[in-house]
Amino acid sequence: QVTLRETGPALVKPTQTLTLTCSFSGFSLTTSGMCVSWIRQSPGKALEWLALIDWDDYEYYNTSLKTRLTISKDTSENQVVLTMTNMDPVDTATYYCARTHNYGDEYYSDYWGQGTLVTVSS
Amino acid sequence: QSVLIQPPSASGTPGQRVTISCSGSNSNIGSNTVNWYQQVPGTAPRLLIFSNNQRPSGVPDRFSGSKSGTSASLAISGLQSEDEADYYCATWDNSLNILFGGGTKLTVL
Repeated sequence: QVTLRETGPALVKPTQTLTLTCSFSGFSLTTSGMCVSWIRQSPGKALEWLALIDWDDYEYYNTSLKTRLTISKDTSENQVVLTMTNMDPVDTATYYCARTHNYGDEYYSDYWGQGTLVTVSS
Repeated sequence: QSVLIQPPSASGTPGQRVTISCSGSNSNIGSNTVNWYQQVPGTAPRLLIFSNNQRPSGVPDRFSGSKSGTSASLAISGLQSEDEADYYCATWDNSLNILFGGGTKLTVL
């Protein structure tokens, strides 16, 4: 069965770098069409896609956050890591990782982690 | 402000049929397929519809999706109290981003 779990600090200070790890099981990130995405949701707000890494090591980033984000994978450990630099209180959100399928220009996320709340405050 | 525009709220009574719209442009919905997610507050989103109108295993056939031009719709028939949730459309954009709509809060009266 497919599971994903996000881990990382619950609290970070402004200007610090956030590092989140998505540990997954039940699928392989080496399988064609398989990807992992990071999505966040600020309190009371809509979902916001952040980044995606695919089976072929291609990385895609939210255009407006691209300069602050880095996504990487460790296929042997079944983990995907997201780093976000220069954290600000507006980055306070629940961060989700999700298994994402890619077929051509089609991307959809069928399994999600439970999410981890990150608060940015001094 | 999301690029994909959804009504902020929708409502219906049990048994009714409700639709939620999602409006985009040629560079996103007009060129790519649309997905829909359901999110009960306090929980992770759940994939409801992919590829415009396909239901993952386990999603009741009360939920259906459609797309025409640069707009898409989610229809829920036989509305049930458990359908009360937030609904998000999503699609790929030609700027190489995944876009989510602003979300629609569905209330079952």
